[in-house]
Amino acid sequence: GQQVMQIPQYQHVQEGEDFTTYCNSSTTLSNIQWYKQRPGGHPVFLIQLVKSGEVKKQKRLTFQFGEAKKNSSLHITATQTTDVGTYFCAGRGAQKLVFGQGTRLTINP
Amino acid sequence: NAGVTQTPKFQVLKTGQSMTLQCAQDMNHEYMSWYRQDPGMGLRLIHYSVGAGITDQGEVPNGYNVSRSTTEDFPLRLLSAAPSQTSVYFCASSYEGGGRSGANVLTFGAGSRLTVL
Repeated sequence: GQQVMQIPQYQHVQEGEDFTTYCNSSTTLSNIQWYKQRPGGHPVFLIQLVKSGEVKKQKRLTFQFGEAKKNSSLHITATQTTDVGTYFCAGRGAQKLVFGQGTRLTINP
Repeated sequence: NAGVTQTPKFQVLKTGQSMTLQCAQDMNHEYMSWYRQDPGMGLRLIHYSVGAGITDQGEVPNGYNVSRSTTEDFPLRLLSAAPSQTSVYFCASSYEGGGRSGANVLTFGAGSRLTVL
């Protein structure tokens, strides 16, 4: 079945450093979504990518969807303490939306 | 507009007990789903529904039952709780396609933390 792998599982950075998480699917995706979960909270939708090679930006966050629509990345420039949390990708293929394992980001102020 | 409401927020059960986690949404979403979240495992789909009267199994359905008698409600039942069902449970809903804005984008409830002793 469809699998979505996300790396790294954990990332600890100094405030101001950049952060990137990567998502890889075993099958071609129709779209990919990204969610953020703050500590103790619930996942909240960030963005959806649909087109091959698509790049979208939200302030310091840059999202990319690979040309083959099998991988994606989230890059945060100059992290702030408000970026702390777990970031999940979720890929939609022929079946249901499948979540990656998430990347937990912690930041040293 | 409350979004997705889950109850209870916390529950402790003994092995073999039964209980129901409640989920209600007021956004007229066709799609509703239940996920469990365990450390290092991400969000795993338990059951889902694309409309009233329609349910289907997800990735980890064993030990759980669901029903969808109305568009608004999607309860998750544990018939005989086991320690392996200790987890945080999230209910999530969305519009189901049709090109509408926000289609297939999940809105999550606040979660229900279940401990089975």
